[in-house]
Amino acid sequence: QQQVKQSPQSLIVQKGGISIINCAYENTAFDYFPWYQQFPGKGPALLIAIRPDVSEKKEGRFTISFNKSAKQFSLHIMDSQPGDSATYFCAARWGAQKLVFGQGTRLTINP
Amino acid sequence: KAGVTQTPRYLIKTRGQQVTLSCSPISGHRSVSWYQQTPGQGLQFLFEYFSETQRNKGNFPGRFSGRQFSNSRSEMNVSTLELGDSALYLCASSFREQGTDTQYFGPGTRLTVL
Repeated sequence: QQQVKQSPQSLIVQKGGISIINCAYENTAFDYFPWYQQFPGKGPALLIAIRPDVSEKKEGRFTISFNKSAKQFSLHIMDSQPGDSATYFCAARWGAQKLVFGQGTRLTINP
Repeated sequence: KAGVTQTPRYLIKTRGQQVTLSCSPISGHRSVSWYQQTPGQGLQFLFEYFSETQRNKGNFPGRFSGRQFSNSRSEMNVSTLELGDSALYLCASSFREQGTDTQYFGPGTRLTVL
């Protein structure tokens, strides 16, 4: 099954709070899981990525948690800031360069 | 390095026409992928080119085609435009770094079909 299910569709978090976005997949052939951030009028920008042999990866305030047995992975944004307000997409790579994207989560951080 | 550039940024066409979109990858990147982004279907993979050859293809009709030139620049063409082709078309270039092919997206071309 070549799809990635992302939730929630929208999320509102207070400044300083933790934003959590979840994704689930079926295809065990996926070998790379990136997260992209997209601002209005811009293309998606790579935020952080993980391989399935790693359970967690942290870069600054952004952390990916990966559960291979459950086929789920999530993005945690610590100390969320108004500048983090954007749409976030999880993705999974199937075949060289072929990314399958989740439906996106519109994140709003209230000041 | 300059990022991925796409031209034009905005385009308005009518049903039945055809359109050509252009993408210039980051210098040194040899792989170019194209995606369609719509509110209903999200981001969907169209095709990927590497060294002037189509290496991967998504599930889009034959009206969608592309090509890559020797300088890695790529074009995609949509013939016999339909209203449903209205979308943001994104190009991404990539190269292998630290064992992973990281894709960098351009700003997209917003196509409106009337």
